[in-house]
Amino acid sequence: DTGVSQNPRHKITKRGQNVTFRCDPISEHNRLYWYRQTLGQGPEFLTYFQNEAQLEKSRLLSDRFSAERPKGSFSTLEIQRTEQGDSAMYLCASSPSTGTGSYEQYFGPGTRLTVT
Amino acid sequence: GQQLNQSPQSMFIQEGEDVSMNCTSSSIFNTWLWYKQDPGEGPVLLIALYKAGELTSNGRLTAQFGITRKDSFLNISASIPSDVGIYFCAGHNFGNEKLTFGTGTRLTIIP
Repeated sequence: DTGVSQNPRHKITKRGQNVTFRCDPISEHNRLYWYRQTLGQGPEFLTYFQNEAQLEKSRLLSDRFSAERPKGSFSTLEIQRTEQGDSAMYLCASSPSTGTGSYEQYFGPGTRLTVT
Repeated sequence: GQQLNQSPQSMFIQEGEDVSMNCTSSSIFNTWLWYKQDPGEGPVLLIALYKAGELTSNGRLTAQFGITRKDSFLNISASIPSDVGIYFCAGHNFGNEKLTFGTGTRLTIIP
C-alpha cells in the first residue's frame, strides 16, 4: 500500500520536552500538508510544502513549531518545549501539484500527542 | 480558525435508513470535499465536487455542490454498520492550498 504514513502513531511526553513526528507522503505527490485536530473538532491547517519549499504557515504554528521537508519527500514536524495545550492529533496529508486532483488531499493515520 | 457549520451535529439511525447532512459557509468555495473519519484514524476522502450545482455519486453516497457555492450536501442511502463514524465537509479555494473543515456530523447506527 502506498498511502500516507505517519510515525509514531502515539506519543506521550512530559511538558517541556521536545517531540518530532514524521510523515511519508504518497510517493508521486509533491504537495504535503500538516493539520492539527483537537477532540470534537475538524482538522485545522498548520502548514504546506510544495516539494521542499514551505509555502504557507498558519498563525496556529507558533515559534515552538517547526516543519521541514529537506529533500521534497518525507517531512518532519517538531514541537519544542511542549505544553499541555499541544495535546492533539497531528495529521499529515499529500496531494499532486497539477490537475483537478491537486485539490484532493489524502490523509495519513495521524500521530496522537499527549502532553502530561 | 474558521470552521464550516455542519448539521446535524449527530444522528442516530437504524440500519437501512437513508441519511442526509449538510455543510454551510459564510464565504464561497471553489471545491467541496467530503471525508469520513473513524476513531483514532485520519480522514478518508469520499467525494470531491468541483462545480456549482454538481451532483456526484460514489456507491451509496451522493453529494451536491450548492449553487450559491456556500453549501454542500451529503446523502447516504441504505445505511450499513460500517457507515458509523464522523463525516466532515471541507472547502478549498484556488490559490490557497489549505482545506477549511466543518465541525463534523457523527453518525451512529442503533441496533
